[in-house]
Amino acid sequence: AQTVTQSQPEMSVQEAETVTLSCTYDTSESDYYLFWYKQPPSRQMILVIRQEAYKQQNATENRFSVNFQKAAKSFSLKISDSQLGDAAMYFCAYRSALGGGSEKLVFGKGTKLTVNP
Amino acid sequence: IAGITQAPTSQILAAGRRMTLRCTQDMRHNAMYWYRQDLGLGLRLIHYSNTAGTTGKGEVPDGYSVSRANTDDFPLTLASAVPSQTSVYFCASSLMGLPQETQYFGPGTRLLVL
Repeated sequence: AQTVTQSQPEMSVQEAETVTLSCTYDTSESDYYLFWYKQPPSRQMILVIRQEAYKQQNATENRFSVNFQKAAKSFSLKISDSQLGDAAMYFCAYRSALGGGSEKLVFGKGTKLTVNP
Repeated sequence: IAGITQAPTSQILAAGRRMTLRCTQDMRHNAMYWYRQDLGLGLRLIHYSNTAGTTGKGEVPDGYSVSRANTDDFPLTLASAVPSQTSVYFCASSLMGLPQETQYFGPGTRLLVL
């Protein structure tokens, strides 16, 4: 079974600074997808960024980028120019690309990000 | 387009009572999911449905049942609630088969079982 580990329960960053959230995963599959979701106090789960394992190029979405190291099974999220609105819980998630059944997400336990003004 | 709606927003329930959490999506997604979120444990899959008329068990299915009579609705039923089912419940949906399939989440239902 796949597992996702987020080793940082809490992180903090100064406004306008850069922060990196860590995520590692364990799988025997070669094809899969990785995601970062943001959950602000409103409780809504919001997709931040996704990465296909077959792509070597790291995904980027505006101020959010990932460092995907497939061999190391690492998938960190970098937030540049942090804003107060970035404060939230961040969840790393894995999904198999094998198909044929539930395309379920396997989540890490989350990292709480605080942004200090 | 509303996306995914869940009802109720929150609920306090006496142990032993039956409760159905409602989930409706208007995106014509074929796959739907129920997750529960507990502090320190992240989100865990309860049940899923790949298409109308089919359902499957996730990681923590005990005490829950689901049905998928049509594409849009995916209710989750607690037949006899227990305090350990106190949690926040999220419904999600996705369009299976796309190369970059993404799950979209509803706003959640906060359930307290006393």
